[in-house]
Amino acid sequence: EDKVVQSPLSLVVHEGDTVTLNCSYEVTNFRSLLWYKQEKKAPTFLFMLTSSGIEKKSGRLSSILDKKELFSILNITATQTGDSAVYLCALAGGTSYGKLTFGQGTILTVHP
Amino acid sequence: EAQVTQNPRYLITVTGKKLTVTCSQNMNHEYMSWYRQDPGLGLRQIYYSMNVEVTDKGDVPEGYKVSRKEKRNFPLILESPSPNQTSLYFCASSPLYPYEQYFGPGTRLTVT
Repeated sequence: EDKVVQSPLSLVVHEGDTVTLNCSYEVTNFRSLLWYKQEKKAPTFLFMLTSSGIEKKSGRLSSILDKKELFSILNITATQTGDSAVYLCALAGGTSYGKLTFGQGTILTVHP
Repeated sequence: EAQVTQNPRYLITVTGKKLTVTCSQNMNHEYMSWYRQDPGLGLRQIYYSMNVEVTDKGDVPEGYKVSRKEKRNFPLILESPSPNQTSLYFCASSPLYPYEQYFGPGTRLTVT
């Protein structure tokens, strides 16, 4: 069975802190790993990762994939209150070609 | 403006009354998918479509139907809704699978 597990489930930090969100997976026929940010509306795309060891970066956010150990991390440096959101990890691949499996999400709260 | 639209955005209905939630994208995307989001369970895939006339089940297809007669539209049909289908529904599309998906604004459905 395809599985995506995110940790921690929730996290509370103060502005300026650095956070690391984790996503581990078990999936047949891996194709890509996707990170999304969800505020009080629809998820918005952050990163797509397909190769191990290649960091993707966008401003204060970065992400990397380890296909050997089957996990990915999302780092956010110098956090701001606007980073407060649910961060979702999703795996493309699995028992059906077009399948997408999401983790439960990590709720990040950034206090001023 | 490139977007995924869903209608209606909010719907309250009664058990057994057939309903359709429409989804349309104007980006000429090949791949479209439906998800439901429930507290504590994250996003779960209902159905997806790799292209016109090609659809397949996700993780939670029971009680739902879809069709993809043209590239831009992917309606979700509940033939006989039940209270356990009360949820927040998202439609999404992407240029190709397994690339990043663009989500619609969501439809909040309540079945009494």
